Amino acid sequence: AQSVTQPDIHITVSEGASLELRCNYSYGATPYLFWYVQSPGQGLQLLLKYFSGDTLVQGIKGFEAEFKRSQSSFNLRKPSVHWSDAAEYFCAVGGNTGNQFYFGTGTSLTVIP
Amino acid sequence: SQTIHQWPATLVQPVGSPLSLECTVEGTSNPNLYWYRQAAGRGLQLLFYSVGIGQISSEVPQNLSASRPQDRQFILSSKKLLLSDSGFYLCAWGGGFYNEQFFGPGTRLTVL
Repeated sequence: AQSVTQPDIHITVSEGASLELRCNYSYGATPYLFWYVQSPGQGLQLLLKYFSGDTLVQGIKGFEAEFKRSQSSFNLRKPSVHWSDAAEYFCAVGGNTGNQFYFGTGTSLTVIP
Repeated sequence: SQTIHQWPATLVQPVGSPLSLECTVEGTSNPNLYWYRQAAGRGLQLLFYSVGIGQISSEVPQNLSASRPQDRQFILSSKKLLLSDSGFYLCAWGGGFYNEQFFGPGTRLTVL
């Protein structure tokens, strides 16, 4: 069955520290992978996506993610976190048909000064 | 460029009242359209999706319904709201070969 697991419900990091948010997926075909960010009371914004090719993808706001097929993972990273990065982060996996899109349960990020 | 609108932004309704939430997309044609619900502190629950006018698929049985009267309009409705319908409702559109989804600003619904 298709699914996405984000094992960390909540993460707290200090401003300026590095960040890694974990995402593991289960998908029967070639996965298309996405990371979204949601600020409180707002919709989801697409941070980055992976379809094929280079397994390290760059996104907006200084984020990057690495696709590791052997580990079924697509972890999100940022070298230095800013206070404005505090938000909810969702990993998603999809295919190329209309309803095949699965979200993880999200990781809430708190940034302390 | 494409944009997606949702209204109202906030809604407070009594139990048993009807509901109509609207979502419209601009700048694209024949998009896939989705309604999600996000309960407080929880992830996204896919409620409905549509691949074309009049074509609605329901993911979760409930007292909500959806309609797509026009190519870029998606409506979420209920005849009688329940307390459990409270939440944050998000509309999204997807398109292109990779079908990545783009979200509207959401509607905060409180049922009292």
